[in-house]
Amino acid sequence: ETGVTQSPTHLIKTRGQQVTLRCSSQSGHNTVSWYQQALGQGPQFIFQYYREEENGRGNFPPRFSGLQFPNYSSELNVNALELDDSALYLCASSLGSGGSYNEQFFGPGTRLTVL
Amino acid sequence: KNQVEQSPQSLIILEGKNCTLQCNYTVSPFSNLRWYKQDTGRGPVSLTIMTFSENTKSNGRYTATLDADTKQSSLHITASQLSDSASYICVVSVIGQGGKLIFGQGTELSVKP
Repeated sequence: ETGVTQSPTHLIKTRGQQVTLRCSSQSGHNTVSWYQQALGQGPQFIFQYYREEENGRGNFPPRFSGLQFPNYSSELNVNALELDDSALYLCASSLGSGGSYNEQFFGPGTRLTVL
Repeated sequence: KNQVEQSPQSLIILEGKNCTLQCNYTVSPFSNLRWYKQDTGRGPVSLTIMTFSENTKSNGRYTATLDADTKQSSLHITASQLSDSASYICVVSVIGQGGKLIFGQGTELSVKP
């Protein structure tokens, strides 16, 4: 176990709805990164939060947004859900911002299904 | 375009045998390269991390190599076990892009008794 937890484990929503996914980082880590993993594909970087500020973003539309709290836990919010948003959403925590040698520890993921 | 490509897409081997997985990348500027193991429905777990100056890194029965000139990496698994059945993902970190990791699509390894 990596010490990174995510909730909920599974979620079913309908198109157009909004969803909030949560991640608790490993103790002592100040950075959280979010990834979307479609079935049979590698994870795609959504964004990273470092000390409560967005520190980098992948090619995802603005309806994907996030927050990081003072305790370094994080939320991923997705508005106006689309069928293609169905995926495993992974969060990873690390000490220090990325592009560096710092190892990222992944949570078990949240499986989102959009009907 | 920054890309990471892995081969083969899937692999079946017998327990006890060795295997080698390949990774080619076009990511620049390059910070480091990582290999992860991902069990079905779980988050990836790091096996090795290498900077451009490192040629090889071992973690038990896993040995990763890196050739930064040809932009190729390999992961060698020795004396495979049934528990090695998983997806193995090559990941490259980009300098200066705020923690962005670029993942390959993974190699699905199945170890049979």
